[in-house]
Amino acid sequence: DAGVIQSPRHEVTEMGQEVTLRCKPISGHDYLFWYRQTMMRGLELLIYFNNNVPIDDSGMPEDRFSAKMPNASFSTLKIQPSEPRDSAVYFCASSPSPGLAGGKQYFGPGTRLTVT
Amino acid sequence: AQSVAQPEDQVNVAEGNPLTVKCTYSVSGNPYLFWYVQYPNRGLQFLLKYITGDNLVKGSYGFEAEFNKSQTSFHLKKPSALVSDSALYFCAVRDMNTGNQFYFGTGTSLTVIP
Repeated sequence: DAGVIQSPRHEVTEMGQEVTLRCKPISGHDYLFWYRQTMMRGLELLIYFNNNVPIDDSGMPEDRFSAKMPNASFSTLKIQPSEPRDSAVYFCASSPSPGLAGGKQYFGPGTRLTVT
Repeated sequence: AQSVAQPEDQVNVAEGNPLTVKCTYSVSGNPYLFWYVQYPNRGLQFLLKYITGDNLVKGSYGFEAEFNKSQTSFHLKKPSALVSDSALYFCAVRDMNTGNQFYFGTGTSLTVIP
């Protein structure tokens, strides 16, 4: 398995532009998580899905952020409009159900977003 | 409330010495506990987990962790540190009672001094 795939790996955009981050989870995993990591705030959970349904989006900073999971093999995190304070590394992770050996998370390599 | 605490932002240890990275947790019910490591410019990588059974769990790269229910702790240990162990370490708990969400600690930066 190729692991969790994220694209793009790096994104540089100007303030006000729309940004879309993409994630392909590991096949067979029914949980998908989006995290944001910054020096100031550490690792923050933004939203997670179970069987393509959003379960908890309380970590989404504001209405400028939205996430979708149209099918089991694809998810997007969109920021519109983007702001410089959104600059961070965004990680996607997937996991199987906990009953399957505890259901550990597998992380993607991350997308480094820079908003100028 | 569910939470994970890593009381040390930074741990320094000399190469060859034993290392400990501390973690305590608070979760209702039986916890599923994890340790992850993050190297610079990389995603988090799984090290080890505790689900049930023996309180001493062995994981990747010679790391182990001890589950202590009475102290609600899950400290990461290694008998002899390597310079290549220098990285950011995260403790996490998966809460089975509230949607199977993961809760991560704030991370501990480990520096192994040659």
